[in-house]
Amino acid sequence: AQSVTQLGSHVSVSEGALVLLRCNYSSSVPPYLFWYVQYPNQGLQLLLKYTTGATLVKGINGFEAEFKKSETSFHLTKPSAHMSDAAEYFCAVSRYNQAGTALIFGKGTTLSVSS
Amino acid sequence: ETGVTQTPRHLVMGMTNKKSLKCEQHLGHNAMYWYKQSAKKPLELMFVYSLEERVENNSVPSRFSPECPNSSHLFLHLHTLQPEDSALYLCASSQSGRMNTEAFFGQGTRLTVV
Repeated sequence: AQSVTQLGSHVSVSEGALVLLRCNYSSSVPPYLFWYVQYPNQGLQLLLKYTTGATLVKGINGFEAEFKKSETSFHLTKPSAHMSDAAEYFCAVSRYNQAGTALIFGKGTTLSVSS
Repeated sequence: ETGVTQTPRHLVMGMTNKKSLKCEQHLGHNAMYWYKQSAKKPLELMFVYSLEERVENNSVPSRFSPECPNSSHLFLHLHTLQPEDSALYLCASSQSGRMNTEAFFGQGTRLTVV
């Protein structure tokens, strides 16, 4: 079965600082991994995804993530945080079984950005 | 309209009421999902519909009853709910059978059971 674990339920950074949100996965098959962002009282918006090919994936709003098979990780980074990045971030893995496909999410990490 | 639309955005209901949540997608997808998002808990996958057929029910209580009349519409019928059912209910859609495809989410319905 596929699953993801997000390390750290809350991360605080200063504006302009590096953002690093951690995600580790568990999968018996090559994983397909996703990062989503959720603003208050909104749905989830896709930031980026890893399927196959290049292990460094670039997404929207200056975010990127690197797939590291040896570390079973897919951490999300942004070189310089902006106040508008404050939100909740979810890592997810695509699961496939006889019922079809679905995304399985981690518990989420709340990012706070201070001026 | 484009994307995934959920109505209503907010709903307050008593424990004896019956209400329905509606989801509509305009993306041509053939799979739809209901997720429950409670405070301090991970997103819980409740139901999966593929090609209008319910293919997954993750031990959801019978007071939640989904309906998928066609590939564009998904409903969640609610009756005799409990206060612990208060949560944000998210609908999503995707292309079934493709693991490399993302799910698109609606903005959710904030449900409060009083």
